[in-house]
Amino acid sequence: GAGVSQSPSNKVTEKGKDVELRCDPISGHTALYWYRQSLGQGLEFLIYFQGNSAPDKSGLPSDRFSAERTGGSVSTLTIQRTQQEDSAVYLCASSSAGSGRWSDTQYFGPGTRLTVL
Amino acid sequence: AQSVTQLDSHVSVSEGTPVLLRCNYSSSYSPSLFWYVQHPNKGLQLLLKYTSAATLVKGINGFEAEFKKSETSFHLTKPSAHRSDAAEYFCVVSDQKDTGRRALTFGSGTRLQVQP
Repeated sequence: GAGVSQSPSNKVTEKGKDVELRCDPISGHTALYWYRQSLGQGLEFLIYFQGNSAPDKSGLPSDRFSAERTGGSVSTLTIQRTQQEDSAVYLCASSSAGSGRWSDTQYFGPGTRLTVL
Repeated sequence: AQSVTQLDSHVSVSEGTPVLLRCNYSSSYSPSLFWYVQHPNKGLQLLLKYTSAATLVKGINGFEAEFKKSETSFHLTKPSAHRSDAAEYFCVVSDQKDTGRRALTFGSGTRLQVQP
């Protein structure tokens, strides 16, 4: 079946502009995660959605970052007033975890490469 | 708090020789452990996972890993490397007990090169 999809695959923007990154999880997956992969920082957690529960935003680096998940499916990660240090690959993952259990496998999308000039 | 350390940033082997990618973890509880692989310009793919069943875990493409609690290790091995194994490998840990932080913790990655 279809995996996790993300769009756009590449995004180049100018410093100070806002960007929106989209994630389509695997159908039926209730848990959705955003991660960031940048040089020198490795892979870091950003935000987690589980069903209708309040999202875990503990990984968001600043208030310029926000995310929403509409209808328990598609998610959008928004970065306002982008800075050069926001340049990274943004990865989305989903899992079928009904309770967000850690042993459940997360399936990753191909990522969006964001470049801030 | 949980953490994971991949002991080698780069590993180079010859095709047909064994592969060993080392990983040590730190976890407050009984962890779940994963190995993911990332090929150039591709997404992360799960190789295998340990979730407190058998300590020797077999994954895809001939990879396996052994969970050793006494050594807090979860090293990844393969008997015979293939050129297609060249990629970045990530060791990942997550606590089974609800710590309130619902995310995976990734190691820094090991880049595997396979020489012809």
